[in-house]
Amino acid sequence: EADIYQTPRYLVIGTGKKITLECSQTMGHDKMYWYQQDPGMELHLIHYSYGVNSTEKGDLSSESTVSRIRTEHFPLTLESARPSHTSQYLCASSRTDYGYTFGSGTRLTVV
Amino acid sequence: AQTVTQSQPEMSVQEAETVTLSCTYDTSESNYYLFWYKQPPSRQMILVIRQEAYKQQNATENRFSVNFQKAAKSFSLKISDSQLGDTAMYFCAFMRALAGANNLFFGTGTRLTVIP
Repeated sequence: EADIYQTPRYLVIGTGKKITLECSQTMGHDKMYWYQQDPGMELHLIHYSYGVNSTEKGDLSSESTVSRIRTEHFPLTLESARPSHTSQYLCASSRTDYGYTFGSGTRLTVV
Repeated sequence: AQTVTQSQPEMSVQEAETVTLSCTYDTSESNYYLFWYKQPPSRQMILVIRQEAYKQQNATENRFSVNFQKAAKSFSLKISDSQLGDTAMYFCAFMRALAGANNLFFGTGTRLTVIP
């Protein structure tokens, strides 16, 4: 079944560690996105990609980085995690103007 | 810049009753798309309904319908016969209808609780 997958679902990690949040989709969508969702549930776009080898920063400045080497894969990396990075991260993909399909999210806690 | 405003942070409704969630937006574009998304507690965000701005007819999906007022830049969601499973955060979102410009702009959300 075509879908979008995020792993891990939950992650608790110590300050200073490097982490990668995985996002993969099987729908063949060209466009992929990362959102950060704060405790008040607001959604902030932090990265997006319109295709392989194309990545852009979103509206909210983030210390994370992304890569898009394959159409189906859009991982997000934090080189050195800090408590301020504690949040929920949502990955999404889309085809043209139909709207997004979201993953289940990764809830990250940095201690 | 596009902005989306949801003025109701929280709402509640009795099971089987009808509730309307408000959304207004600001844009200088003449053609665009509007969406309502639902995010149940600890679950995946899903698309509820989609409206194309150039279509005057209001979109409907089973118990969910919208009241799209283009001149007023208003896009409210009506949920009829509310069910316990409708309890969720609801986000209104805007997308420009330009090739290559498919970023969604979200409102701040409305938390809906359906009371048994």
